[in-house]
Amino acid sequence: DAKTTQPPSMDCAEGRAANLPCNHSTISGNEYVYWYRQIHSQGPQYIIHGLKNNETNEMASLIITEDRKSSTLILPHATLRDTAVYYCIVRGHGSGNTGKLIFGQGTTLQVKP
Amino acid sequence: DTAVSQTPKYLVTQMGNDKSIKCEQNLGHDTMYWYKQDSKKFLKIMFSYNNKELIINETVPNRFSPKSPDKAHLNLHINSLELGDSAVYFCASSPRGGLPVSNEQFFGPGTRLTVL
Repeated sequence: DAKTTQPPSMDCAEGRAANLPCNHSTISGNEYVYWYRQIHSQGPQYIIHGLKNNETNEMASLIITEDRKSSTLILPHATLRDTAVYYCIVRGHGSGNTGKLIFGQGTTLQVKP
Repeated sequence: DTAVSQTPKYLVTQMGNDKSIKCEQNLGHDTMYWYKQDSKKFLKIMFSYNNKELIINETVPNRFSPKSPDKAHLNLHINSLELGDSAVYFCASSPRGGLPVSNEQFFGPGTRLTVL
């Protein structure tokens, strides 16, 4: 699975959009980009994933560049409850993939009032 | 109606003891996982079972023995506990682990193990 690089921390004002970047320059053609987050003292929570097209769900939007070497998770209207560590993970699908997630250091997002 | 539950939530014990952590999921998933999060907050996969069969064993010391009595349960038994075993242990489940479909993992609330 490809390695990802994220900034260690970011701040965002409550009510504003939070844009969290992730670099994955060694991503291969069959690897997906997943985003999870971990709110303090809780288990990680799935947010969204995508392959090459932009994706949106009730939690967030995922923008993947055309060359797929980077992506951005967008929380459109951040709230204080969105303060968490956000993990960008690249993993493949396919019969040889065991499903394990490899977590990096993630980005600590602090949403401020 | 918790999706993935773990017991106990906190576990404090002495070095050398043997302890177990239990995990149950009511989502009907085929695959379950154990992750360890150390004091530096790194989350690392330990084991995975798919339909009661071990499919991932990430070079964890053999003092750690997972057991899956059925596909809804994955327990973790730890023998001869050491100080370095202190961590938060998370259980997770997903619909399928290794098949060519995307799937998200659902995590439990974690068990904080402290070895004194």
